[in-house]
Amino acid sequence: AQSVTQLGSHVSVSEGALVLLRCNYSSSVPPYLFWYVQYPNQGLQLLLKYTTGATLVKGINGFEAEFKKSETSFHLTKPSAHMSDAAEYFCAVSDLGSGNTGKLIFGQGTTLQVKP
Amino acid sequence: DTGVSQNPRHKITKRGQNVTFRCDPISEHNRLYWYRQTLGQGPEFLTYFQNEAQLEKSRLLSDRFSAERPKGSFSTLEIQRTEQGDSAMYLCASSPDADTQYFGPGTRLTVL
Repeated sequence: AQSVTQLGSHVSVSEGALVLLRCNYSSSVPPYLFWYVQYPNQGLQLLLKYTTGATLVKGINGFEAEFKKSETSFHLTKPSAHMSDAAEYFCAVSDLGSGNTGKLIFGQGTTLQVKP
Repeated sequence: DTGVSQNPRHKITKRGQNVTFRCDPISEHNRLYWYRQTLGQGPEFLTYFQNEAQLEKSRLLSDRFSAERPKGSFSTLEIQRTEQGDSAMYLCASSPDADTQYFGPGTRLTVL
């Protein structure tokens, strides 16, 4: 079985500060990992993904994440927060690595607040 | 590529009524997923289609829920005899290869 844990349901940073959103996963097969962002009353937008290859992946809007197998982590970072980054962020793992349907298992989400 | 569309965007119904939602995936995406998201939670998987075949259903999908994808194009999700616990955002996603899922804006259901 696969699962995702996001540490911290709310994170608050000042504009221009480092953003760090934590995600740990559990998977019995090589994981496919994703970060999605959700703005109020909207669907989910893919920020970045890790499937195979380079463990540091870069996404849209200046975000990046590093896959660390030894720590079973996939933390999301951004060097400098912008007001427009305020949103809900979801980490997810896919069961595609086990040859299944590719459904996503999501964490509980982290609300990012950016203070001026 | 016009994105995944879902209709209606909002639905308010009374307990016991039936509701149906529609999802139009990105053209030529053969994989389609339905998820349910309740307030303050991450989305939870409901069901998966590859073309017109429904290949996986979650235990969350009780016998009051049914989904179809005729001809492998659009999909519908029907909830019969709605309950207040069915109030949620219902999200549809499509994918060409399961590597990346593209989500629609969702249908917010409120059951009174």
